[in-house]
Amino acid sequence: RKEVEQDPGPFNVPEGATVAFNCTYSNSASQSFFWYRQDCRKEPKLLMSVYSSGNEDGRFTAQLNRASQYISLLIRDSKLSDSATYLCAVNVGNDMRFGAGTRLTVKP
Amino acid sequence: DAGVIQSPRHEVTEMGQEVTLRCKPISGHDYLFWYRQTMMRGLELLIYFNNNVPIDDSGMPEDRFSAKMPNASFSTLKIQPSEPRDSAVYFCASSRTQNYGYTFGSGTRLTVV
Repeated sequence: RKEVEQDPGPFNVPEGATVAFNCTYSNSASQSFFWYRQDCRKEPKLLMSVYSSGNEDGRFTAQLNRASQYISLLIRDSKLSDSATYLCAVNVGNDMRFGAGTRLTVKP
Repeated sequence: DAGVIQSPRHEVTEMGQEVTLRCKPISGHDYLFWYRQTMMRGLELLIYFNNNVPIDDSGMPEDRFSAKMPNASFSTLKIQPSEPRDSAVYFCASSRTQNYGYTFGSGTRLTVV
């Protein structure tokens, strides 16, 4: 089993839709969780941290489920500009491991 | 802050040649990470440093790869000799702590022909 797994997608949704991604991790001792956004031919950029109690940043909501060992990202009222690949990151020991990414395309 | 700075942005080299990738982390960030990204394998951690000291190089694929961090503001990743399968985007990232969010550089797109 991979340390961090994501559904690669692609997710194709219309503008205004709500879309959710999940990311599962294998190390139950992991303590730090993040979502990154990566545009085509660009570097990953930190989107948001994921806190135990869940957290929201505008249209984005991140949640952690320790019992089932997954994190989720919910995007409400999706915009064309949300089209990108979303990578989850989970610490494994002393460093961070990334999922392969979920590709999202928002269509007019 | 200028962010994490990597050079060169693109590198095309012939098999067997030495390649050196460079990275300047964000000032005050104690951790520096080298990642490689390919379509097949995603983002792979190669090596990371804490306060200029290599901590974990278990991700370095072969002895052909080496990395150094002579001071807090500079790191290099060297491949010698390079092979076509080394073709990838190499990212450098830095962080205040090991489990803080990382800031990535814009990457070096390496093509070995």
